[in-house]
Amino acid sequence: EVQLVESGGGLEQPGGSLRLSCAASGFTFSDYSMNWVRQAPGKGLEWISYISSSSSITYYAASVKGRFTISRDNAKNSLFLQMNNLRAEDSAVYYCAKDNRPREISGYDYWGQGTLVTVSS
Amino acid sequence: EIVMTQSPATLSVSPGDRATLSCRASQTVTSKLAWYQQKPGQVPRLLINGASARASGVPARFSGSGSGTEFTLTISSLQSEDVAVYYCQQYYIRPFTFGGGTKVEI
Repeated sequence: EVQLVESGGGLEQPGGSLRLSCAASGFTFSDYSMNWVRQAPGKGLEWISYISSSSSITYYAASVKGRFTISRDNAKNSLFLQMNNLRAEDSAVYYCAKDNRPREISGYDYWGQGTLVTVSS
Repeated sequence: EIVMTQSPATLSVSPGDRATLSCRASQTVTSKLAWYQQKPGQVPRLLINGASARASGVPARFSGSGSGTEFTLTISSLQSEDVAVYYCQQYYIRPFTFGGGTKVEI
């Protein structure tokens, strides 16, 4: 059974940092690209970052570029999001999401349960 | 950035009736489009990939069509459990943008 479990969310002050983790199991993690998607309370979905299966390619939304860094450890089946210089508008539930097809950008067939990030003084 | 526009914002449908949801891209995304269903309090679920391919386990009443800039998600006979917000997403060009969603209610 595919499982994605996020952790690392919480309350942080503006300008602070958080590191989100996503533990993957039930599939060959190193074969699939991964993504982070966020959802502010009562709002829609916002894609924020992508990483290829080998970590050779990363993409970011303009809203987080230069502040957030996506990475992965295929040996530990883990995905990460380092979030620096946090702003109030970064407050959201953060989901990790798995691409549907190996080594190909596609829709996301599995999502974690999400971790809540709140940025407030 | 490709802007994805979904319409209508809210769709009220009687049980057993057909629901038609639209998604328009500001420029071509070829067939690189996915549809998701998000029920209240739940995680998004992939329904359609590649504009028209149903994901594993998705009931046959859900179908996707279109290419280029115009896409449609059709629920052929609405069930009560289909009440949700539906999102389209393009993955043709980064950033991989989502539409604003269509809320389907009974």
